[in-house]
Amino acid sequence: SQTIHQWPATLVQPVGSPLSLECTVEGTSNPNLYWYRQAAGRGLQLLFYSVGIGQISSEVPQNLSASRPQDRQFILSSKKLLLSDSGFYLCAWGIRDLLNQPQHFGDGTRLSIL
Amino acid sequence: GENVEQHPSTLSVQEGDSAVIKCTYSDSASNYFPWYKQELGKGPQLIIDIRSNVGEKKDQRIAVTLNKTAKHFSLHITETQPEDSAVYFCAAGSYNQGGKLIFGQGTELSVKP
Repeated sequence: SQTIHQWPATLVQPVGSPLSLECTVEGTSNPNLYWYRQAAGRGLQLLFYSVGIGQISSEVPQNLSASRPQDRQFILSSKKLLLSDSGFYLCAWGIRDLLNQPQHFGDGTRLSIL
Repeated sequence: GENVEQHPSTLSVQEGDSAVIKCTYSDSASNYFPWYKQELGKGPQLIIDIRSNVGEKKDQRIAVTLNKTAKHFSLHITETQPEDSAVYFCAAGSYNQGGKLIFGQGTELSVKP
């Protein structure tokens, strides 16, 4: 069966520091991968999605970037964090090339910026 | 752009009662409608989904209905239990969006024993 891992589970970072959040998927090949941010327990905002290695689509202008160095690895990064980057970050995967399939979420990283 | 409206934002019911959450979507090309349940500190978990060629789908105490003409879809939970308490999200997606989903803002359901 497929599983998705995110780490770390929680992170506290000072303003201006760099960020790297990692997401890996097991048990499937060629997945679509997604990064979301959720503020205050509501409203999932899609940040990035990827349909293949090195292919990243950005949904909203922001202080973050994403990379997909391997088929089942998705990384969310920032060079200098802002206070507004605080939130709950969720990674998800979906089956590529199949229509109307759900996305499956990891358990997220809670990021606090001080 | 595409939008999904979800109501109510909070819902409190007595154990054993039914709960209904409603969503409307704006993109007429949407043809896939999943529902997710999110418990505190966890990622959303898929509980049921429906595709546009189906008007209703049921899985034990959970059912979803879809009205494509009106662009409405709803989640129905019968015989609610305290463990149903969570935040529920609806979403809409279409094949021409690369698998992307547009999420509603969530409904916080509280089931009182």
